[in-house]
Amino acid sequence: EPEVTQTPSHQVTQMGQEVILRCVPISNHLYFYWYRQILGQKVEFLVSFYNNEISEKSEIFDDQFSVERPDGSNFTLKIRSTKLEDSAMYFCASGTLAVQETQYFGPGTRLLVL
Amino acid sequence: DQQVKQNSPSLSVQEGRISILNCDYTNSMFDYFLWYKKYPAEGPTFLISISSIKDKNEDGRFTVFLNKSAKHLSLHIVPSQPGDSAVYFCAASGTANFGNEKLTFGTGTRLTIIP
Repeated sequence: EPEVTQTPSHQVTQMGQEVILRCVPISNHLYFYWYRQILGQKVEFLVSFYNNEISEKSEIFDDQFSVERPDGSNFTLKIRSTKLEDSAMYFCASGTLAVQETQYFGPGTRLLVL
Repeated sequence: DQQVKQNSPSLSVQEGRISILNCDYTNSMFDYFLWYKKYPAEGPTFLISISSIKDKNEDGRFTVFLNKSAKHLSLHIVPSQPGDSAVYFCAASGTANFGNEKLTFGTGTRLTIIP
C-alpha cells in the first residue's frame, strides 16, 4: 500500500542553524502539506502546496520557513534559522485533487532545537 | 482558536465494549470531518470520514455520527479491541473550490482498552 515517507526520523540542531526536512508523498497525489505538533499540543497546519506553489499558509509559516518540490518525488520543508520553539514533530501529508479527499500522513520528523 | 474541540483528554473502556469518542466544532464552514488514530512516534493514520451531507458513516467496527445542528460528531468503536488503544484525533475542513483544504485538528483523546 502506498505511503508517505519522511526523513530523517529525528533531527537535533543548534539554535540558528538551518534544517531541511524531507518527504516523499504518495506518487499520484498532487496536494502536499506540512503540519507540526508541539509536544502536548494539537496538530497544526503549516502550509499546503499545489502545482509548484504555495496554496495556503498559516501564520506560523513565516519568512523563516520555505517549501520546495525540487524534483518529481521529494517535497521539502526548510527552516532557515531555527528557534527553540521550532522543536516539534513535523508531519508531511499528501492528497489527491478530489474535493473532500483524505490526507495521508507520513510518520513524522522529530526536530529538537537546542 | 479552538475551532475543533475534544473535551475528553482520555477514555478507558473494557475490551469488547463500545468506545465513544466525542468532538465539537464551532466553524460553520466545516463540511468534511475525519478521524485519525495515532500511535506514539508515528504519524496520524486515517480511520473514517464523513461529509456534512450525511449523518452517519460506517466502516466495519467504526461508525461516525454527525449532528450538524449541534456541531457535534462522535466516533463509535464496537467491539473495542486492545489494538485500538491510541490517541484519536478529530479533524475538520471546509470545501475548497477544488482539491483539498487544510485540516483543523482537535487536541486528541487517549483511548485505553482494558483487557
